[in-house]
Amino acid sequence: AQSVTQLGSHVSVSEGALVLLRCNYSSSVPPYLFWYVQYPNQGLQLLLKYTTGATLVKGINGFEAEFKKSETSFHLTKPSAHMSDAAEYFCAVSGVSTGANNLFFGTGTRLTVIP
Amino acid sequence: ETGVTQTPRHLVMGMTNKKSLKCEQHLGHNAMYWYKQSAKKPLELMFVYSLEERVENNSVPSRFSPECPNSSHLFLHLHTLQPEDSALYLCASSQDRENYGYTFGSGTRLTVV
Repeated sequence: AQSVTQLGSHVSVSEGALVLLRCNYSSSVPPYLFWYVQYPNQGLQLLLKYTTGATLVKGINGFEAEFKKSETSFHLTKPSAHMSDAAEYFCAVSGVSTGANNLFFGTGTRLTVIP
Repeated sequence: ETGVTQTPRHLVMGMTNKKSLKCEQHLGHNAMYWYKQSAKKPLELMFVYSLEERVENNSVPSRFSPECPNSSHLFLHLHTLQPEDSALYLCASSQDRENYGYTFGSGTRLTVV
């Protein structure tokens, strides 16, 4: 079975500060891990994903995440926050069940960027 | 047109109405999904279709009825809804058994009055 825990439903950072959004996963098989972003009144957009290979993954808009198997974590970071980064962020883990490729989502973290 | 397209973007309906949400994908994917996103709640997986067959129905009330006539189209038929059904309904698609994640549509914001 797969599940995701996102620590902190709300995170506030100042513009230009480091962004760190936490995600821990549980998976009975080698995980595929994802971060999605959702802007107000829109659907979810894929930021980045880890499948195999290099554990540091770079995504769009300057975000990156590192897969740490020993810590069962996949935290999302960005060195310098921009006002346009304000959104809700969802971590997800992939698992195959009943013939379909199901994604299991965390509860989301709302990022606020303070000018 | 590419990606996943959902129509309408906004829908207001009375509790006795019948309406349908439409989702269309132009990515060549063979699995499609309906999610419900309510305020302050996690994403709820409602239905999964793989190769046009329903493979999951997560205890969704019968007032929600999905239909997948082909691999590019997915519908959610709504009837006699309740106010608590007001939410953002998201459609997604993926290539089955390839763990590359989903592509989401922009959603339909449904308000039941």
